[in-house]
Amino acid sequence: DIQMTQSPSTLSAFVGDRVTITCRASQSITTWLAWYQHKPGEAPKLLIYRASSLQSGVPSRFSGSGFGTEFILTISSLQPEDFATYYCQQYDSLSWTFGQGTKVEVK
Amino acid sequence: EVQLVQSGAEVKKPGESLKISCETSGYSFPSYWIGWVRQMPGKGLEWMGTIYPGDSDTKYSPSFQGQVTISADKSINTAYLQWSSLKASDTAIYYCARLRIAAAGASFAHWGQGTLVTVSS
Repeated sequence: DIQMTQSPSTLSAFVGDRVTITCRASQSITTWLAWYQHKPGEAPKLLIYRASSLQSGVPSRFSGSGFGTEFILTISSLQPEDFATYYCQQYDSLSWTFGQGTKVEVK
Repeated sequence: EVQLVQSGAEVKKPGESLKISCETSGYSFPSYWIGWVRQMPGKGLEWMGTIYPGDSDTKYSPSFQGQVTISADKSINTAYLQWSSLKASDTAIYYCARLRIAAAGASFAHWGQGTLVTVSS
């Protein structure tokens, strides 16, 4: 099975900060990587698919990059509504695996 | 508009059986894979398994193989997740989610609201 490792586990930031979250795969997944935002009491929300494609309706301050085994989610200017937990997810050969999550909290 | 509406919260005792549902609308149900995702209290998201309603082809995470059964009823556009004998460790929120596109290699773009399952004696 492909394992996904996110870092950091928790990130403290101010509104307006540039935030980056890293996700590493245990083997190459080319660009089969998605990023989700999850807030308590809500369903997860797809932000990025195919490593760098912005899902419809998602603000442009979110961006994704990477290929193979290392991927990055960037929030260019953190907004109050962005405080949440973020997950990467690989999808390869009808198997999906989430990273352990990165909680973005108020500094 | 694509919608996934899950059945309501359940409180069960250890050893009981349970089947929760995910009723869909707004798209061709047989054509898109639907997955189930678990979130245990205070923990992250875990993929459990995914079904293709068109032919009921089902893929399970090794962690959940043999522990749950995923099924689908094309006649009522509904997917199911069931347990034959619940354990306290099955206490969690369970989400159904549909792939973004009608292809196997895709992410989950549409989600149900979640079903809280509580297992306690």
